[in-house]
Amino acid sequence: EAEVAQSPRYKITEKSQAVAFWCDPISGHATLYWYRQILGQGPELLVQFQDESVVDDSQLPKDRFSAERLKGVDSTLKIQPAELGDSAMYLCASSLDISYEQYFGPGTRLTVT
Amino acid sequence: QKEVEQNSGPLSVPEGAIASLNCTYSDRGSQSFFWYRQYSGKSPELIMFIYSNGDKEDGRFTAQLNKASQYVSLLIRDSQPSDSATYLCAVGGGNRDDKIIFGKGTRLHILP
Repeated sequence: EAEVAQSPRYKITEKSQAVAFWCDPISGHATLYWYRQILGQGPELLVQFQDESVVDDSQLPKDRFSAERLKGVDSTLKIQPAELGDSAMYLCASSLDISYEQYFGPGTRLTVT
Repeated sequence: QKEVEQNSGPLSVPEGAIASLNCTYSDRGSQSFFWYRQYSGKSPELIMFIYSNGDKEDGRFTAQLNKASQYVSLLIRDSQPSDSATYLCAVGGGNRDDKIIFGKGTRLHILP
């Protein structure tokens, strides 16, 4: 069964350092999402791609966060510099197209010290 | 601001009973509805999706959608301890470009 891949699974970094997360969606899925989830909360959408284009990054803190999906397949989310408040689970999901059901990867647990 | 509301719980249900989870949404034009299960420390797993009014059954799970009342529910029959998790409701808007909004989730605890 096809799955969304993410790496790393866990990341500990010091504040002010740079950190990057990678996601490989299910093959053929045009839409890719990056979410941030804080304990006890639902996932919060950071950025949504349709193929290689950003269709929604309204909640992405653009002063420190960046995301790209250059060839419309895998994607990278970067934080520079990391802050203590960035500690959370970062989830990647993909769907066949916009508004279809999303499938999540295992997530990256980020701890900023 | 489009919203998806869920009771945070915890909802405690005896093993073998029916667990009923509810979700309300604010956007009357919403067209797609999803239920995810999330175990502690894990990522959400898709359980059910429903697009039309009425019931949709898959094994022990039944999703119920009532667009007029703007609510969607998930029933879990013959609840098992392994069903203990947080259940997330997600709702997609009526336009193709509308993003899917997640609720904060309901914690379900099945009592052995």
